[in-house]
This record gives sequence, C-alpha cells and structure tokens, in this order.
Amino acid sequence: AQRVTQPEKLLSVFKGAPVELKCNYSYSGSPELFWYVQYSRQRLQLLLRHISRESIKGFTADLNKGETSFHLKKPFAQEEDSAMYYCALSHYNTDKLIFGTGTRLQVFP
Amino acid sequence: DTEVTQTPKHLVMGMTNKKSLKCEQHMGHRAMYWYKQKAKKPPELMFVYSYEKLSINESVPSRFSPECPNSSLLNLHLHALQPEDSALYLCASSQAPGLAGGQENIQYFGAGTRLSVL
Repeated sequence: AQRVTQPEKLLSVFKGAPVELKCNYSYSGSPELFWYVQYSRQRLQLLLRHISRESIKGFTADLNKGETSFHLKKPFAQEEDSAMYYCALSHYNTDKLIFGTGTRLQVFP
Repeated sequence: DTEVTQTPKHLVMGMTNKKSLKCEQHMGHRAMYWYKQKAKKPPELMFVYSYEKLSINESVPSRFSPECPNSSLLNLHLHALQPEDSALYLCASSQAPGLAGGQENIQYFGAGTRLSVL
C-alpha cells in the first residue's frame, strides 16, 4: 500500500540551527514527492517537489530511491520557518495526493 | 487571480440540515479536489473532478454529494451529516488532470470551510 511516514510530530530548534524533517514513503511505482507547508492562519501551499530539484526559502529535499526517503533540510533555520510541514506523494500520472501525518517545526529565537 | 476561494469560511449545521460548500478558481485549472482535514491530522482526499467529470471517489458516504457545474466551480452538498463529520473541508485545484512531472499537477489549496455539525 502507498504510504508516507513522517516520524516526528514536533521538531523544535533554535534560530540558526540546521533542520531536517524526515519523510519516508512506500510505493511500488515511480512516485512524485512534494513538501507542502502550512503557516499559522494561512492556507496549505507547495514548498517544493522532487522533480524540480530547486531550493525554496533555503530548503532542499533530495529523493533517495534506495532509502525511499525525501527528507527536507535547511542549514540555518529562521523563526519564520515555524509551521506545519507535510510530505506528500502523488501516484504517477494520477491526481491522487497522499499526505504524511505532518511535522510541526518550531524555531525559537 | 491565482487563488482558490472557498465559501463560507465557517458553517454550523444540524444533523437534519442541507447545506452546500462552494469552491471557485479562475486559473483555468481542469482538476478540482475536495479534502477533509480533522484537527491535527493531514488532509484526506474525498473526491477528484477531472474536466468536470468525477474521476475519484474515495468511498465517501453518500451524505456528501459533490457537483462540478463548470470548470471554475466545485460544490459539496451536505445532507444528514453526523457530528463526526465536523472538520475543515479543503478545496484544491490543479492545472491539468493525470499529467505528471510538470507544473500541471501542483495542487493549489483554498483556505477551507470549517464545518461544525451539532
């Protein structure tokens, strides 16, 4: 069965510290992986996706097919990064998006 | 206009009421989605419309009835709901259904309708 696992419900760091939000998936085909973010009182929005291989707001994520992981990383966390982060998987060539359980990132000053 | 707009923002209804949630986008997107999100949980897909046709129904109870009158509008008709149906209902849209790899399959979300069933 297709599944997205985010093992940490809450991740707390101080400003300037490195951040890694973990995401593992199980999928039998070729998945598309995404990170969505929800800031306080804002709508859910796309942060980045594996296919574009870009850095957004200093965040990067690399798809590791061997480890079936798509961890989100940022070398120096900022207070404005505090939000709920969801890893999501899309079935190839379909419209179905499966979300992980989410990780709340708290960045303290 | 690059937003998905949902109305109303909040809705309180009794178990015998009939109400509708509305979603609108003017980005020319041809896929639209309904999700249900309980507190502190991820969104769960309910329905997908592709080119105004229902393409995915995730075994949602019949008391939820989706409708896509045209390519810009998506409704969710509610009837005889239960208190456990109280949740945030999210609408989303994407440019083109069933295509992978491009900008077409990025989903854009509305702010949601917070529904309370008494």
